[in-house]
Amino acid sequence: NAGVTQTPKFQVLKTGQSMTLQCAQDMNHEYMSWYRQDPGMGLRLIHYSVGAGITDQGEVPNGYNVSRSTTEDFPLRLLSAAPSQTSVYFCASSPRGGNTEAFFGQGTRLTVV
Amino acid sequence: AQSVTQPDIHITVSEGASLELRCNYSYGATPYLFWYVQSPGQGLQLLLKYFSGDTLVQGIKGFEAEFKRSQSSFNLRKPSVHWSDAAEYFCAINTGTASKLTFGTGTRLQVTL
Repeated sequence: NAGVTQTPKFQVLKTGQSMTLQCAQDMNHEYMSWYRQDPGMGLRLIHYSVGAGITDQGEVPNGYNVSRSTTEDFPLRLLSAAPSQTSVYFCASSPRGGNTEAFFGQGTRLTVV
Repeated sequence: AQSVTQPDIHITVSEGASLELRCNYSYGATPYLFWYVQSPGQGLQLLLKYFSGDTLVQGIKGFEAEFKRSQSSFNLRKPSVHWSDAAEYFCAINTGTASKLTFGTGTRLQVTL
């Protein structure tokens, strides 16, 4: 199994550009999440989904959009990139919430110039 | 709102020495508790988790953690550290049924030979 696959691994954007970070999982997990990791701040939740068609905001949702049309995919859209969105982005999936393990992708390192 | 504190940003230990990484949480009840490890340029891997029962939990790679309700702590320990344990360690909690993790800021472990 591939697990959680994120593409691209690296990306450089200019301020104001838009892009989509892709996330796909092949474990048939219902729950998927997006986090950003910044130095000294740990990981912070951007958006999450508890199933196809259901999404909700996390701690830092501004400037990001998500949708979940299938169980497998959970793309994260940057509407108009800003330097403050320079970060490492991680997608995670889990079979359910609560006490279950979250499986993480390898991350996407995004730089906005 | 819940929070997780990892008071040690950076710890250096000698190979073969024992290790304890501290984690304290703030929440009105007992959350689901996790420790994840992140090797450089990689995603996060679950070391262990606690949600009920025996307060001493065993994980992978020889790690264990002890939940202490009275101190709101979930410290990670290893009796003898190996050079390959050098990584960043994150404590995280989940307080609900969705997969919404709240992370600490992480502790970077350096192992000297």
